[in-house]
Amino acid sequence: EAGVAQSPRYKIIEKRQSVAFWCNPISGHATLYWYQQILGQGPKLLIQFQNNGVVDDSQLPKDRFSAERLKGVDSTLKIQPAKLEDSAVYLCASSFHSGGAYEQYFGPGTRLTVT
Amino acid sequence: AQKVTQAQTEISVVEKEDVTLDCVYETRDTTYYLFWYKQPPSGELVFLIRRNSFDEQNEISGRYSWNFQKSTSSFNFTITASQVVDSAVYFCALVNAGGTSYGKLTFGQGTILTVHP
Repeated sequence: EAGVAQSPRYKIIEKRQSVAFWCNPISGHATLYWYQQILGQGPKLLIQFQNNGVVDDSQLPKDRFSAERLKGVDSTLKIQPAKLEDSAVYLCASSFHSGGAYEQYFGPGTRLTVT
Repeated sequence: AQKVTQAQTEISVVEKEDVTLDCVYETRDTTYYLFWYKQPPSGELVFLIRRNSFDEQNEISGRYSWNFQKSTSSFNFTITASQVVDSAVYFCALVNAGGTSYGKLTFGQGTILTVHP
């Protein structure tokens, strides 16, 4: 079974530029998550989708971050404009359904460096 | 609000030593799940174990064991006879079973484990 796919793996941009990340979850998984992991910290949830609807985006900086999951399968996360503090690893995860009974499977992440 | 605390930032051991990673959590919910994830240098988070709040039985899987004590809100992880391949960052995490936090993992800060040959 294929795991969670993410691209690109690495991205370097200058501040005020825009960037987009792509995620393809495990087939059949209804729930998709985007996490931000700053160096030396645990991942922090940015947004959670159930199929193509948003379940939780309370920690998404909506003035610069946006995400979509139009067909309930793959998802994109965008940052526009980027700030230095956005330098982090962006992890995508998926689970069969929402809730703690279902483990989340993580992709390899996209390491973003903003200069 | 929920919180996970991993007091040990870094642990360094020599191969074959036993090592315990501590995890303390806070939650107001009575039904929740606790997790441990491993993050090797490649960066991908690897699921190790899930435990629900009603199951306080300890669990052993090979060299790994977990001790869940609801009375002290702790969910500690022990590696017996550590190996170099165990070197990674380990995260403890919590999910509440319902409410607005449904499915949202709250992670601790992580413990960097280095096993020297």
